[in-house]
Amino acid sequence: QQQVKQSPQSLIVQKGGISIINCAYENTAFDYFPWYQQFPGKGPALLIAIRPDVSEKKEGRFTISFNKSAKQFSLHIMDSQPGDSATYFCAASRNYQLIWGAGTKLIIKP
Amino acid sequence: DTGVSQNPRHKITKRGQNVTFRCDPISEHNRLYWYRQTLGQGPEFLTYFQNEAQLEKSRLLSDRFSAERPKGSFSTLEIQRTEQGDSAMYLCASSPTGSIGLYGYTFGSGTRLTVV
Repeated sequence: QQQVKQSPQSLIVQKGGISIINCAYENTAFDYFPWYQQFPGKGPALLIAIRPDVSEKKEGRFTISFNKSAKQFSLHIMDSQPGDSATYFCAASRNYQLIWGAGTKLIIKP
Repeated sequence: DTGVSQNPRHKITKRGQNVTFRCDPISEHNRLYWYRQTLGQGPEFLTYFQNEAQLEKSRLLSDRFSAERPKGSFSTLEIQRTEQGDSAMYLCASSPTGSIGLYGYTFGSGTRLTVV
C-alpha cells in the first residue's frame, strides 16, 4: 500500500529555472515530511524537512510548501543548476520509519 | 568518523550462493537500518536495529535474509541461496535517537549485488 505518491517521475528544467516536485500522502499520523537527494552510486542524503504544523520552509534555494488540508507537499528548487541533477525522494516519517515516494529524476539542462 | 561505511561496494555472485554485506554506522548512532533499492525505485525497508536489538523486520523479507548487529556496533546482512530477483542496491543507514524526520538517516553508498 503506497502511502506517499510522488510526481512527476522525471523532470527536465533549464538552468536558472524553477524545479517543482509534488507529493501527496494518505496517513495523518506522520510527524515530519523530509526530502532526500540521491546522486548516482550514492545513498540518499537528507535535503530539507518540514513539520506538518508549518506551511513553508526555506533553506537556500530549496523550499518545501506544505498543505495540510490537501495532504500535499512540494519541493521547489529556485535558480536550478546542473549540479542539482539527481533523483529526489519525498518521504513521510513515523517513529523511526520513513515511507518513501517513488522518486523524481531531475535533469537540469545547461 | 566520516559517515556510514559499506563493504563491499559491488558483489557479483552466482545464483544459489550465499553473500554477506557489512555496514559500519556512525559511531554515535544507536539506530541502524537496512534498505534495498532497485533501479528507478525508492528505498524499500528491510530491517531496523536499536543498538543490538533487531526491532523490526519487513514482512517482505524472506527467511533467506538475516541481519545481525553484535554489540550494537557494525551490522551484517546475509542472503542465503541468492536468486536473480535479489539483484539490487543494498543500503545501510544509521541515525541518532529522536525524530527520524528531523535528524534524518545517514546512508552509506550501498553494496550493489548482481546475481548471475
